[in-house]
Amino acid sequence: EDQVTQSPEALRLQEGESSSLNCSYTVSGLRGLFWYRQDPGKGPEFLFTLYSAGEEKEKERLKATLTKKESFLHITAPKPEDSATYLCASLNTGFQKLVFGTGTRLLVSP
Amino acid sequence: DSGVTQTPKHLITATGQRVTLRCSPRSGDLSVYWYQQSLDQGLQFLIQYYNGEERAKGNILERFSAQQFPDLHSELNLSSLELGDSALYFCASSALAGGPGGTGELFFGEGSRLTVL
Repeated sequence: EDQVTQSPEALRLQEGESSSLNCSYTVSGLRGLFWYRQDPGKGPEFLFTLYSAGEEKEKERLKATLTKKESFLHITAPKPEDSATYLCASLNTGFQKLVFGTGTRLLVSP
Repeated sequence: DSGVTQTPKHLITATGQRVTLRCSPRSGDLSVYWYQQSLDQGLQFLIQYYNGEERAKGNILERFSAQQFPDLHSELNLSSLELGDSALYFCASSALAGGPGGTGELFFGEGSRLTVL
């Protein structure tokens, strides 16, 4: 069964303090690895899709990378508005459904 | 604004009752997905419909059912409610049948928060 594990569960950073979030996945034939951002009381909002090992995507202070077993979301010089829960999800070639991890709650303090 | 509309936003009901959650997908999207999000389980895939037909099924209980209507809106029916059914229920949509297409983006609504007392 496909599985996605995210770590850490929660992360507190000072503004400007760069860090990385981890997403480990086990999937029978990866079609894509996805990152979403979820603010409290809101639905998840799409950030990136990565399709193959070695691929990288960037958006403002966020950069997502992919290996054969993990994905990382690097946050460079974060700002308080980056505070949110970041969700990772895998999509396999068979069942066409996203399997989500439980997320990393990020809090960036000024 | 994702373009996906869910109603109601909040719902409080008692055990044993039945509720219906409604979702209008983004204009032009034919696929609708239902997810359940609870504190300890994260986002759990329930079911997907594409253009009125069931496409994929996840961890959906037999007490739960869904359908997609000709105008593409979808309803999730939850019956014989239990305390453990309290959760956020999200609807998402995409254009294609085979899961998230193109960039891999699913568009999520803001959710319906169900509280069972």
